[in-house]
Amino acid sequence: NAGVTQTPKFHILKTGQSMTLQCAQDMNHGYLSWYRQDPGMGLRRIHYSVAAGITDKGEVPDGYNVSRSNTEDFPLRLESAAPSQTSVYFCASSYRVAGTYHQETQYFGPGTRLLVL
Amino acid sequence: GENVEQHPSTLSVQEGDSAVIKCTYSDSASNYFPWYKQELGKRPQLIIDIRSNVGEKKDQRIAVTLNKTAKHFSLHITETQPEDSAVYFCAASSGGSNYKLTFGKGTLLTVNP
Repeated sequence: NAGVTQTPKFHILKTGQSMTLQCAQDMNHGYLSWYRQDPGMGLRRIHYSVAAGITDKGEVPDGYNVSRSNTEDFPLRLESAAPSQTSVYFCASSYRVAGTYHQETQYFGPGTRLLVL
Repeated sequence: GENVEQHPSTLSVQEGDSAVIKCTYSDSASNYFPWYKQELGKRPQLIIDIRSNVGEKKDQRIAVTLNKTAKHFSLHITETQPEDSAVYFCAASSGGSNYKLTFGKGTLLTVNP
């Protein structure tokens, strides 16, 4: 299994340009999340999905869109990039074990470093 | 919502010493507390986690303790080695349908040879 993969590894955008960050997982996990990581801010969730066809906002969703058409893929779309979106983006997958014992371990992808000029 | 405070933000120790990182959380419903290690330029990786039904968990040189009453949990690394140098993040989750994991802001641990 490749686990969680992300493309590209690094990208430079100009203000106002659009871009899609790709995320894919092959572990059959139901839950997928996008995080951004900024110095001194930890990891903040942008959007998440609990299953194909279901997405919801995290704590910092403005300026980003997501879709989930299948279990494996969870692309993150920046429609009109701004310098404030310069960050490292991580996709993470997780699963919940049926029953009373929940497992919320997050498995992170390698990240995408995005620079918006 | 949940708020996770992590201290210290930086920690420098000599090789062989112990290191302790502490986190507090605000939501008494939180029941899952993982710790992640992130090396420079790499992804965060889970190193240990604990659930609210236990007070301590150990895995070789690392251990985590949980005090539910005080709402704080700590990571202990013994016999530190240079390869332990990284940023460590604590997190807390209350489960639920939104599957939210709230992270602390991280601790940069430097182990000096």
